[in-house]
Amino acid sequence: DTGVSQNPRHKITKRGQNVTFRCDPISEHNRLYWYRQTLGQGPEFLTYFQNEAQLEKSRLLSDRFSAERPKGSFSTLEIQRTEQGDSAMYLCASSPLSSSYNEQFFGPGTRLTVL
Amino acid sequence: GDSVTQMEGPVTLSEEAFLTINCTYTATGYPSLFWYVQYPGEGLQLLLKATKADDKGSNKGFEATYRKETTSFHLEKGSVQVSDSAVYFCALSERTGANNLFFGTGTRLTVIP
Repeated sequence: DTGVSQNPRHKITKRGQNVTFRCDPISEHNRLYWYRQTLGQGPEFLTYFQNEAQLEKSRLLSDRFSAERPKGSFSTLEIQRTEQGDSAMYLCASSPLSSSYNEQFFGPGTRLTVL
Repeated sequence: GDSVTQMEGPVTLSEEAFLTINCTYTATGYPSLFWYVQYPGEGLQLLLKATKADDKGSNKGFEATYRKETTSFHLEKGSVQVSDSAVYFCALSERTGANNLFFGTGTRLTVIP
């Protein structure tokens, strides 16, 4: 399977703990995106990488959130001092730079529950 | 700013019925338009796309036409099946900057036999 993969698929944590999620995009996809989806809503953009450079961050990405893509391949999203409002599905997507219409391929997501 | 407004659900149809899910958008530029589908327990999948005015995207019997004059991209299918039961998301992507997707809130479709 050469699709986008995400780990873990589920994470339950207590308020105040730190969590880290990983995304492995489709090989050779330069663009990588993180989105957050809450129940009954569409995904909302969090941040964007082109290769290893983080080029854009949404205002939704508070200072407790940090994302990296150190070698331009996999990416991690860390949430520090989690709050109950962080409970959501975190989605990763990738696309090739060559795509003129930016078709994004999504991973299965990591569902975070903060108790 | 950019936004997508989608017909609220849920929608329940009998098998072989005609489906329309309305979608309108607001964009600062000239976006590409998409319909994504999320089947139960699965991730988002691209269903169809259109990149310029009057383009018709189509896939698996679903169609949507990019209407610039009405800023709409309504999803249609002539005869739905039980297997079409899913949540459908309309989305747009600008052609500049991050090209991130702006999604509607989703419409849950249930098709009953």
